[in-house]
Amino acid sequence: DTAVSQTPKYLVTQMGNDKSIKCEQNLGHDTMYWYKQDSKKFLKIMFSYNNKELIINETVPNRFSPKSPDKAHLNLHINSLELGDSAVYFCASSQDRSRGYTFGSGTRLTVV
Amino acid sequence: GESVGLHLPTLSVQEGDNSIINCAYSNSASDYFIWYKQESGKGPQFIIDIRSNMDKRQGQRVTVLLNKTVKHLSLQIAATQPGDSAVYFCAEIASGTYKYIFGTGTRLKVLA
Repeated sequence: DTAVSQTPKYLVTQMGNDKSIKCEQNLGHDTMYWYKQDSKKFLKIMFSYNNKELIINETVPNRFSPKSPDKAHLNLHINSLELGDSAVYFCASSQDRSRGYTFGSGTRLTVV
Repeated sequence: GESVGLHLPTLSVQEGDNSIINCAYSNSASDYFIWYKQESGKGPQFIIDIRSNMDKRQGQRVTVLLNKTVKHLSLQIAATQPGDSAVYFCAEIASGTYKYIFGTGTRLKVLA
């Protein structure tokens, strides 16, 4: 029974397309996150929602838009995809700040 | 400030030996730290944590040491096994925030 599940696991798409990545957690956590991991494995936070409210919005292009329909779901929509968007995107959740995150298994996005 | 991605450092260790992975964190206001393990094709997984009011914490085969004076964190793995091969990240979080900052990561290779 997967705790944090992301779909799809792999996504290959052409430049200029619009795509979405979905994330769901069944842990009952209040806070969810999106992280981007580049080819050098560096993890950088993008967004965070606490109980459907946006609490972290890092400097990312406005082509990226998170949406949280409820506290168990946090989706990431990307418009007008660019080559530089190619990366692995991780969703994560946490109950409170002092217990760390539970990560999903990642979505590898390749823009061609 | 946040870490800038560099080439991923690699630590090669003989099976059965002890491993020490180091991390320099960036924010003197950080009050909680976590070590994560990321295996190939998976998301980071929690290994062990430590609060800033401690300087050492032990788990099963792992020990985390914290030196706040020089802002240094280390992860010691005893009797390293092939299953320990992964990328290891330290993460820090400052009091009153929800955002974990991840270090650049270290790849651990266990040699048979």
